[in-house]
Amino acid sequence: GQNIDQPTEMTATEGAIVQINCTYQTSGFNGLFWYQQHAGEAPTFLSYNVLDGLEEKGRFSSFLSRSKGYSYLLLKELQMKDSASYLCAVMDSNYQLIWGAGTKLIIKP
Amino acid sequence: TAGITQAPTSQILAAGRSMTLRCTQDMRHNAMYWYRQDLGLGLRLIHYSNTAGTTGKGEVPDGYSVSRANTDDFPLTLASAVPSQTSVYFCASSDSPGGADGYTFGSGTRLTVV
Repeated sequence: GQNIDQPTEMTATEGAIVQINCTYQTSGFNGLFWYQQHAGEAPTFLSYNVLDGLEEKGRFSSFLSRSKGYSYLLLKELQMKDSASYLCAVMDSNYQLIWGAGTKLIIKP
Repeated sequence: TAGITQAPTSQILAAGRSMTLRCTQDMRHNAMYWYRQDLGLGLRLIHYSNTAGTTGKGEVPDGYSVSRANTDDFPLTLASAVPSQTSVYFCASSDSPGGADGYTFGSGTRLTVV
C-alpha cells in the first residue's frame, strides 16, 4: 500500500529553526510537495522537489532523498504566523497526489 | 482575484437528502479534483477530472458523483447523504495532472450530515 508518515504535532519557539520530516512509500514517484494549511483554511503550496537535494525559498527549505524515501521541510526564523499544519504529499506513478495526515506546528513566544 | 470558488461555505444536511457542492475556477486549469479532509487523516481524493469531458474515481468515490461539462466547473453531488459524509470538502485545480506548480485549493465546504 501507499503510505506517507509525518509527525502529528511539533512545538518550536519564535525565532528558532524547526525541521518537519516526511517518509513515504508509494507506487512510483513523480515529485514531492509541501503545503501549509492554517486552521480553517485551504492548503497553500509551499514547495516541490523531484530531484535529490535542497530547494531553498526564503525562510523555507525542502530536502529530498529519493533513495531513502525521505523529505524534510526546514523553517528558519520562526514567526507566530508560521503556526499551521504542514502537509507532505507525493505524486505517484498515476500522477495522483498521496497525502500525509499533516504536522501541526505550534509556535511559542 | 483568480482562483477557485466553492459554495456553499458550510451546510447542515439531513441524512437521505441530496446535495451538490459547487466549484468554479477561472484559471483555465485542465485538471480538477475533489478531496475530503477528516481529522487525523490526510486529504483523500474523491473524484478527479484531467480535462473537460472526462472524470475518474479517486480513493473514496462511493456515494459521490461528479461531472465536467466545461473547463471551469466541477460540481460534486451526494445522491443520498449519510452521517459518514460529514467532512470538509476541498475542490482543487492544477494546470496539468503532474504539474510542478502544485494545486490551487478552494476555501472548502464544511458539511454536516445529521
